[in-house]
Amino acid sequence: DTEVTQTPKHLVMGMTNKKSLKCEQHMGHRAMYWYKQKAKKPPELMFVYSYEKLSINESVPSRFSPECPNSSLLNLHLHALQPEDSALYLCASSQGTSGSWTGELFFGEGSRLTVL
Amino acid sequence: SQQGEEDPQALSIQEGENATMNCSYKTSINNLQWYRQNSGRGLVHLILIRSNEREKHSGRLRVTLDTSKKSSSLLITASRAADTASYFCATDANAGKSTFGDGTTLTVKP
Repeated sequence: DTEVTQTPKHLVMGMTNKKSLKCEQHMGHRAMYWYKQKAKKPPELMFVYSYEKLSINESVPSRFSPECPNSSLLNLHLHALQPEDSALYLCASSQGTSGSWTGELFFGEGSRLTVL
Repeated sequence: SQQGEEDPQALSIQEGENATMNCSYKTSINNLQWYRQNSGRGLVHLILIRSNEREKHSGRLRVTLDTSKKSSSLLITASRAADTASYFCATDANAGKSTFGDGTTLTVKP
């Protein structure tokens, strides 16, 4: 069982809706990530939070808005999405992003998003 | 792909056979990792090999790394039906920025 929990597992939304994806970990990790994965493609990095501060934004459109309220929680706020944004959104965490960090990522099961 | 390519794209074998998949990458790396993803699920970390290592074993998994060729291979020995999944390599060139290869879809037939 994964120690990174994502909710909801499935989400269907219209292009004018506002929704949020949530991610939680209790492993004491200080880095959290959002990845987007389309069918039969590898995960693509969207955002990285390190010590609750946004450290990497991979030029993601502003209709995706990340938030890290504390070291255990990561949200992804969605607004005015397009049908092509339909994908599996994966949250991950790691001990850190530098120093003694080995690079291992712990993934949640993902939130499957469908935009109508 | 973003960082590298994996081959083959798809591999189908019988239970008990060995499966080998390869990963190539483009930039210098600190380490390389392999992940498994069952259909529609999250990714599970399998094994990590550092840039100064050449080979690593974990149970039925054997990973090699050739930094001169910028390539790695994952060998799964004595495969089982439960090994059916997609396998991705990931490289960590910059802190916090793991980049995934295109993946190999492995089907193990009982």
